Amino acid sequence: DAKTTQPPSMDCAEGRAANLPCNHSTISGNEYVYWYRQIHSQGPQYIIHGLKNNETNEMASLIITEDRKSSTLILPHATLRDTAVYYCISKEGAGNNRKLIWGLGTSLAVNP
Amino acid sequence: DGGITQSPKYLFRKEGQNVTLSCEQNLNHDAMYWYRQDPGQGLRLIYYSQIVNDFQKGDIAEGYSVSREKKESFPLTVTSAQKNPTAFYLCASSTRQYWDSGANVLTFGAGSRLTVL
Repeated sequence: DAKTTQPPSMDCAEGRAANLPCNHSTISGNEYVYWYRQIHSQGPQYIIHGLKNNETNEMASLIITEDRKSSTLILPHATLRDTAVYYCISKEGAGNNRKLIWGLGTSLAVNP
Repeated sequence: DGGITQSPKYLFRKEGQNVTLSCEQNLNHDAMYWYRQDPGQGLRLIYYSQIVNDFQKGDIAEGYSVSREKKESFPLTVTSAQKNPTAFYLCASSTRQYWDSGANVLTFGAGSRLTVL
């Protein structure tokens, strides 16, 4: 199973980098890791995804360990608007039974 | 701008009534999904549709029904058979099929909050 585990909550000072860890030690070799975030009472928003290599886009960077057992989402300069629940997810199962599994995520509080 | 529109944003229902939640997308995505979110739980898949006139049950389909008559639309009906319908409902879409091995990024709507009185 590709279950992911994340700390339930984290704090970060405004303007500093926020580093959100995720453990996915049972992920299959060809499954992507996806990160989404959800601001209170809104729909989740896609942030970034990766397979083996580190990835960067305008929102964040994703660092995946070489053994693919864990990853870290980096928000380089956190702002108050980055306060949200961050989900690290992947697929589990085989063939047509493959499905995304959503956990409870990490509630990130960016403080002034 | 392309996106997903869910309506209504808030809905109140009396016990025993059916209600239908609307989901419309203009992203030209083939796949569409309905999720349910409850406090203290992750998103759970209710139904998904890969193409028009086809849909599959997710993990918690009991008490729900869907249709996919148009590519753009995937309405969800919460029937009176759903025992605990109060929840936040999320519609999503993607370009790839649900079980594709490649990257499959979901685009979500803003959600509909259903409360049963």
